[in-house]
Amino acid sequence: GAVVSQHPSRVICKSGTSVKIECRSLDFQATTMFWYRQFPKQSLMLMATSNEGSKATYEQGVEKDKFLINHASLTLSTLTVTSAHPEDSSFYICSARTRETVNEKLFFGSGTQLSVL
Amino acid sequence: QKEVEQNSGPLSVPEGAIASLNCTYSDRGSQSFFWYRQYSGKSPELIMFIYSNGDKEDGRFTAQLNKASQYVSLLIRDSQPSDSATYLCAAHSGYSTLTFGKGTMLLVSP
Repeated sequence: GAVVSQHPSRVICKSGTSVKIECRSLDFQATTMFWYRQFPKQSLMLMATSNEGSKATYEQGVEKDKFLINHASLTLSTLTVTSAHPEDSSFYICSARTRETVNEKLFFGSGTQLSVL
Repeated sequence: QKEVEQNSGPLSVPEGAIASLNCTYSDRGSQSFFWYRQYSGKSPELIMFIYSNGDKEDGRFTAQLNKASQYVSLLIRDSQPSDSATYLCAAHSGYSTLTFGKGTMLLVSP
């Protein structure tokens, strides 16, 4: 199947710093990428939808000025957590869409565990 | 609001048994359904998807869909300890991306 590469896999940072997470589609062009956040024992929660060349669409309750998303090419999307705080500590996962005739498949990156001290 | 409900578990089955995972969804406009497996601390991986009523088989996995009852299930035959993971059900309505359930933890004991 399609491969989505995400890094770093783990980040530990001090409160107030910014962290950038990269998501790349390695063998296909991803016109749309999605960013999810998952807290322990919770489901994946969609944060934003990123379309190549346009502004990201954020879900209700997600601060667009805090979670900056850039999707400058068909193979790369980045999520920057600005001025991170301990409550931002979570597992962040990107996914990219590959569309078949009648179904949508999502392939996920390996995830980034963010710990803010 | 679109919701996908799953029993959090854990569902415990002995090795070699059939594991049955269930999921219900609230949006009647949902058209396709997905089962993902997620190991602890790892990203989800797609196991199967289904969009027609009835059964769909792939190896040891069978997905079942009943749109009238808004019910999706995943059967795992000959369960192995390596199947121990959290299984996420997701529904797609065509308007946006997938809506995920919270997942069911499956424990397969040797």
